[in-house]
Amino acid sequence: EIVLTQSPATLSLSPGDRATLSCRASQSVSSYLAWYQQKPGQAPSLLIYDASNRAPGIPARFSGSGSGTDFTLTISSLEPEDFAVYYCQQRSNWPLTFGGGTKVEIK
Amino acid sequence: QVQLQESGPGLVKASETLSLTCTVSGGSIVSYYWTWIRQPPGKGLEWIGSISFSGSTDYNPSLKSRVTMSVDTSKNQFSLKLGSVTAADTAVYYCARVSTWYFDLWGRGTLVTVSS
Repeated sequence: EIVLTQSPATLSLSPGDRATLSCRASQSVSSYLAWYQQKPGQAPSLLIYDASNRAPGIPARFSGSGSGTDFTLTISSLEPEDFAVYYCQQRSNWPLTFGGGTKVEIK
Repeated sequence: QVQLQESGPGLVKASETLSLTCTVSGGSIVSYYWTWIRQPPGKGLEWIGSISFSGSTDYNPSLKSRVTMSVDTSKNQFSLKLGSVTAADTAVYYCARVSTWYFDLWGRGTLVTVSS
């Protein structure tokens, strides 16, 4: 099973700041990695797939990069609605697995 | 637009079987894979397994011995059964649509509590 480790666990930032979230895989997942956003009381929603492709309707301030074992989700300038928990997920190997999440909170 | 809705008992007794159904509306269940994912309160996400519209299944090995998924294309529904539940199975259960093995459309989730 591929283990995804997200860091930091919590990121305290202000609106307008740049957010950089990390996801590290225990073995290569090529570019088969997605990012999801989950707001309190809601289901997760797909942001980025195949490491760097934005899902339909996702604003350009969200970008993903990386390949192999190291991946980054960047939010260029935080909007109030971006404060949430973010999860990465790999589809390279079964079982499909998620990272433990990074909470982006208001500083 | 396509929507997913989970339904089923919110309370299940320990050692019994958890049963949930996901109803797909606004679109056909055909030509897609569908999945169940769960999230214990305050914790992360766990993939339970996936099923195709034709009934092919993939289960998480950690749950495989207790999981059964099925699909009913006539009702545009798919279902989850998880047997021999314990308190560790208490979670919000989500159904979702699979797109190239990512999850592009999710239900709102339903909390299932296992009681002793």
